[in-house]
Amino acid sequence: EDKVVQSPLSLVVHEGDTVTLNCSYEVTNFRSLLWYKQEKKAPTFLFMLTSSGIEKKSGRLSSILDKKELFSILNITATQTGDSAVYLCAVELNYGGSQGNLIFGKGTKLSVKP
Amino acid sequence: DGGITQSPKYLFRKEGQNVTLSCEQNLNHDAMYWYRQDPGQGLRLIYYSQIVNDFQKGDIAEGYSVSREKKESFPLTVTSAQKNPTAFYLCASSNRVRETQYFGPGTRLLVL
Repeated sequence: EDKVVQSPLSLVVHEGDTVTLNCSYEVTNFRSLLWYKQEKKAPTFLFMLTSSGIEKKSGRLSSILDKKELFSILNITATQTGDSAVYLCAVELNYGGSQGNLIFGKGTKLSVKP
Repeated sequence: DGGITQSPKYLFRKEGQNVTLSCEQNLNHDAMYWYRQDPGQGLRLIYYSQIVNDFQKGDIAEGYSVSREKKESFPLTVTSAQKNPTAFYLCASSNRVRETQYFGPGTRLLVL
């Protein structure tokens, strides 16, 4: 069975701390891995990773994929209270046909205290 | 402004009632999706549609139905056969099926 596992499930830090969120996966036909940030409502897209070892950066957020060890990390440096959210990891499967399917992890709830 | 809209924001369903959740996008995306999110769970795919007049079951399609009569609209009906409908429902769209998905604001469905 395809699965995506995120850890930790929740995390509390103080402003200015650096955090690392983990996502490991076991899937039969990997195409890409995506990170989303979910605040009150809809997830917003952060990164898509398809190649191992290439870091993607956006401001204080960065992410990298290891396709050999089947995991990805999302780093947030100098955290701010606005970073408080649930961070979702999803793996897209690469079927032989034209389908696409995302398998989501349960998310990591990050709380940043002032 | 381009985007995905869902309505209503909150929806209450009585026992045995069918309810329909709306999802509209003006991004000219071909593919649209419906997900369900339960507390402490990841998102689970209910149905998706690659193109108008075509849709496919996802992982948890039982008790749900969809239609795709127009490119911009993908309504989801939660039927009385869905025994545990209380959840947060998210609609998403992408340019094509295997491209990045963007989400609407969601509809929270509660059972009276």
